[in-house]
Amino acid sequence: EDQVTQSPEALRLQEGESSSLNCSYTVSGLRGLFWYRQDPGKGPEFLFTLYSAGEEKEKERLKATLTKKESFLHITAPKPEDSATYLCAVLTGANSKLTFGKGITLSVRP
Amino acid sequence: NAGVTQTPKFQVLKTGQSMTLQCAQDMNHNSMYWYRQDPGMGLRLIYYSASEGTTDKGEVPNGYNVSRLNKREFSLRLESAAPSQTSVYFCASSEGVPGKGYTFGSGTRLTVV
Repeated sequence: EDQVTQSPEALRLQEGESSSLNCSYTVSGLRGLFWYRQDPGKGPEFLFTLYSAGEEKEKERLKATLTKKESFLHITAPKPEDSATYLCAVLTGANSKLTFGKGITLSVRP
Repeated sequence: NAGVTQTPKFQVLKTGQSMTLQCAQDMNHNSMYWYRQDPGMGLRLIYYSASEGTTDKGEVPNGYNVSRLNKREFSLRLESAAPSQTSVYFCASSEGVPGKGYTFGSGTRLTVV
């Protein structure tokens, strides 16, 4: 059974204080690892897809990396508007079902 | 704007009542999904439809039924609501291949009293 574990559950940062969010996974045949952002009261919004170990993708202050066992979402010099819940999900097997982690709630204080 | 539309946004039901959550997408996606999201549990798959005319159970299907009405629409029905079904329900769609993953709707917040 595919398992996705995100840590920490919650993270509080000061504006400008860089940090990383972790997503570790145990799956058979990873086809893709996805990062989403979810704001309160809204549906998750796609950020990145990573396909293979060593791959990196960037968007503004966010950079996602992937190894064979985990993915990191690095946040450089965060701003209060980066406050949200960040979800990690894996795609495995022949179908198109995503398995999600429980998410990491990030709060960035001014 | 293109995307996934869910109705209603909020609903309160009494135990034992039935209701249908509606979902429609206008991106010509093949696959559609229903998830529930509960505090501390994350997103859990209820049912999915890989293509028009097919539906399959996900992780937590008990107490729910689905209908893939056509390529655009995928509804979720609660036949006899229970307090344990209090949750936020999200519909999503995808092209069915790795890429941008899913596009989610804005959710339906359901309370069963």
